[in-house]
Amino acid sequence: DTGVSQDPRHKITKRGQNVTFRCDPISEHNRLYWYRQTLGQGPEFLTYFQNEAQLEKSRLLSDRFSAERPKGSFSTLEIQRTEQGDSAMYLCASSTQDFNGEAFFGQGTRLTVV
Amino acid sequence: AQSVTQLGSHVSVSEGALVLLRCNYSSSVPPYLFWYVQYPNQGLQLLLKYTTGATLVKGINGFEAEFKKSETSFHLTKPSAHMSDAAEYFCAVSHYNQGGKLIFGQGTELSVKP
Repeated sequence: DTGVSQDPRHKITKRGQNVTFRCDPISEHNRLYWYRQTLGQGPEFLTYFQNEAQLEKSRLLSDRFSAERPKGSFSTLEIQRTEQGDSAMYLCASSTQDFNGEAFFGQGTRLTVV
Repeated sequence: AQSVTQLGSHVSVSEGALVLLRCNYSSSVPPYLFWYVQYPNQGLQLLLKYTTGATLVKGINGFEAEFKKSETSFHLTKPSAHMSDAAEYFCAVSHYNQGGKLIFGQGTELSVKP
């Protein structure tokens, strides 16, 4: 297993376009998390899944954002009608359900909205 | 509600000097505490964690941190800085009943001078 992988690593899009990011967690991890990180700030929690169920969504997650994990494996995060304020690094992490504190992070997808 | 405050957004030390990065937390329940490191354009890597038990925890790369409940602190230290320690460091808090969601501080950028 090569860890948590995210695709693409970089995305440049025009304002108003839709974008979709993918995250592949560590295979035996049934929890998957999405975070957003803006320049000079710590990551902010967006949402998390346990298997295919989305158990919590942050108030930061506007109705333009949607996340899915249809088969409890990979996850997608879609942003509709992108705005310049959506420019950020989007980080995915995974962990086991028996939470011992170790969430493994992917390298992130850097989104630039122009 | 939980929160994390990291004192000092930038810390600069000389190679071989003591590293001290400060973290204070707020939590109404017993916290789980973490330090993560982030290199440029990379995801986060766990340095160390405190969940229960011994309050002095040792992590990778010679780092350690001490949980002090009375001071609500979890400061990160390393006796002797190395050039390769230059990175962004994040303190985070969670709790066992929060599904593994992490609340991060704003980060401290560590510079190491030769």
